Amino acid sequence: AQKITQTQPGMFVQEKEAVTLDCTYDTSDPSYGLFWYKQPSSGEMIFLIYQGSYDQQNATEGRYSLNFQKARKSANLVISASQLGDSAMYFCAMRGIKPQGAQKLVFGQGTRLTINP
Amino acid sequence: DTGVSQDPRHKITKRGQNVTFRCDPISEHNRLYWYRQTLGQGPEFLTYFQNEAQLEKSRLLSNRFSAERPKGSFSTLEIQRTEQGDSAMYLCASTQRTLGEQYFGPGTRLTVT
Repeated sequence: AQKITQTQPGMFVQEKEAVTLDCTYDTSDPSYGLFWYKQPSSGEMIFLIYQGSYDQQNATEGRYSLNFQKARKSANLVISASQLGDSAMYFCAMRGIKPQGAQKLVFGQGTRLTINP
Repeated sequence: DTGVSQDPRHKITKRGQNVTFRCDPISEHNRLYWYRQTLGQGPEFLTYFQNEAQLEKSRLLSNRFSAERPKGSFSTLEIQRTEQGDSAMYLCASTQRTLGEQYFGPGTRLTVT
């Protein structure tokens, strides 16, 4: 079974500061993918960044980077130079990498990020 | 690419009524997922379609729930005899590639009174 743990229910950060959102995972799959999604108050889940378990380098997408530490089973999201529009719920998710099957996402409970002006 | 759309966005119904939700995935995406999200939780997988075939269902999908994707395009999720515990956000997602990221719609928020 796969499990995602996000231990920070809420984070408060000053605008323009960097913020790290924690995510640890557990899986018995030899290959897997890790995702971060943003959910604003409107409800839509917005894909931010992806890390494959065999990727040698940490993923980056603009102001988002994923700090992947495989031995520690952690996949923290780093947002640089935070903006007011970054205020939202953030979910870490994972799925196994298998040739068959649903490839369904397993989500953590989320972290509510609030950016203060 | 107009994104994943869902209809309605909000639904209020009385306990015991049936409701149906619709999801239109991104046009070239042959894989479609339904998730349910309750307040303060992350989404939980309900069911998966590849084209018109429903290939996997979660234990969360009780016999009151049924989903279809008749022509491999849009999908419907029906809940019969709704219960207050069915109150949640129902999210639809689609993807083209087996190992690709899933793109989510805006969700349908169901309130059962």
